[in-house]
Amino acid sequence: DAKTTQPPSMDCAEGRAANLPCNHSTISGNEYVYWYRQIHSQGPQYIIHGLKNNETNEMASLIITEDRKSSTLILPHATLRDTAVYYCIVRVLNRDDKIIFGKGTRLHILP
Amino acid sequence: KAGVTQTPRYLIKTRGQQVTLSCSPISGHRSVSWYQQTPGQGLQFLFEYFSETQRNKGNFPGRFSGRQFSNSRSEMNVSTLELGDSALYLCASSPGVRGNEQYFGPGTRLTVT
Repeated sequence: DAKTTQPPSMDCAEGRAANLPCNHSTISGNEYVYWYRQIHSQGPQYIIHGLKNNETNEMASLIITEDRKSSTLILPHATLRDTAVYYCIVRVLNRDDKIIFGKGTRLHILP
Repeated sequence: KAGVTQTPRYLIKTRGQQVTLSCSPISGHRSVSWYQQTPGQGLQFLFEYFSETQRNKGNFPGRFSGRQFSNSRSEMNVSTLELGDSALYLCASSPGVRGNEQYFGPGTRLTVT
């Protein structure tokens, strides 16, 4: 079973920052937080991942709380193309690539 | 660099038939994973292959099988198709080294009638 809890859907106005929360209260010390998104009818796309420090790349920022029990993915200036299902995942960086996906958050960007 | 490619993109089969789906990973990637996506169950892990060996397997019946070739290309096979096998089948590739992010293909949409 997925170890994360996300709201089923969220709305965000175009041009504003989209803040997507994720709860992972049972995360273990060696588990990373990963975010993927899936635009309709496409394969999931990797966004960002982190262990305990905040991370930023060209797509988004990841803010992980100090106790690591929750995190927030921030899309700084949302566009209509950011409309997608966003998946928050926790995984140990073992030798294999198995990902357990939850139900994700369906983000609607409003014009 | 070319992305992950999957063929065919769409497929219609009837119950009882078998089907083979193909995945070509990104050049240089040695790990290929397969996922099934349905509206009811969401994205579910099927199996992962690394250097021609199955490295991990999800909770699917034995009708679902796969293999990987020496060039890292992978195929998955579903025998004795059931209506419930209708799904989007996604393949993902990665270098296979601990912690690498995976890159997903566009998927194969299988419809079983």
